[in-house]
Amino acid sequence: AQSVAQPEDQVNVAEGNPLTVKCTYSVSGNPYLFWYVQYPNRGLQFLLKYITGDNLVKGSYGFEAEFNKSQTSFHLKKPSALVSDSALYFCAVRDRSGNTPLVFGKGTRLSVIA
Amino acid sequence: NAGVMQNPRHLVRRRGQEARLRCSPMKGHSHVYWYRQLPEEGLKFMVYLQKENIIDESGMPKERFSAEFPKEGPSILRIQQVVRGDSAAYFCASSPAGHNTGELFFGEGSRLTVL
Repeated sequence: AQSVAQPEDQVNVAEGNPLTVKCTYSVSGNPYLFWYVQYPNRGLQFLLKYITGDNLVKGSYGFEAEFNKSQTSFHLKKPSALVSDSALYFCAVRDRSGNTPLVFGKGTRLSVIA
Repeated sequence: NAGVMQNPRHLVRRRGQEARLRCSPMKGHSHVYWYRQLPEEGLKFMVYLQKENIIDESGMPKERFSAEFPKEGPSILRIQQVVRGDSAAYFCASSPAGHNTGELFFGEGSRLTVL
């Protein structure tokens, strides 16, 4: 069965500093990987995805993520954090069989402090 | 294009009542997914539907919960005889095709409170 681990419930970072939100996954074969963001009382918004190709994926709002197959990781990064980036971030994985739904991690709450 | 529309946004029910949550997918999308988000937890998959068909209900509780996506009209998640443990945010997502490389598009959620 596929699964996602987000080891940090909370990440605090000062505005202007780089941020990293960690994600590791478990799936049979090669994965499809996604990051979503959720603002308070809102739905999830798609940020970026890894399907194939370049391991470094660039997404919305200046976010990027790096697929590392040997470490089964897909950490989310941004060079310079903004206060407005404060939100709940979800990593998600799906296998390539086409028969399983998107599985989400528990989420990491990012707090960017001015 | 309008996004995924869910209603009601907030629903309060007393124990034993029924809750009906509706979801209209994005225009051109024929695949609907329902997820449940409990406080301090991630999203848990419940069910995946296409028009008039349930494709995967592996995450749906065996009792009291049902889902449909009729030929005409929105998808409906129905919870009968609600209990306090059903209090959660229920999210609907849609996609133009099924389990594939594409991302899901989420609605704003329906927040159910059971008194």
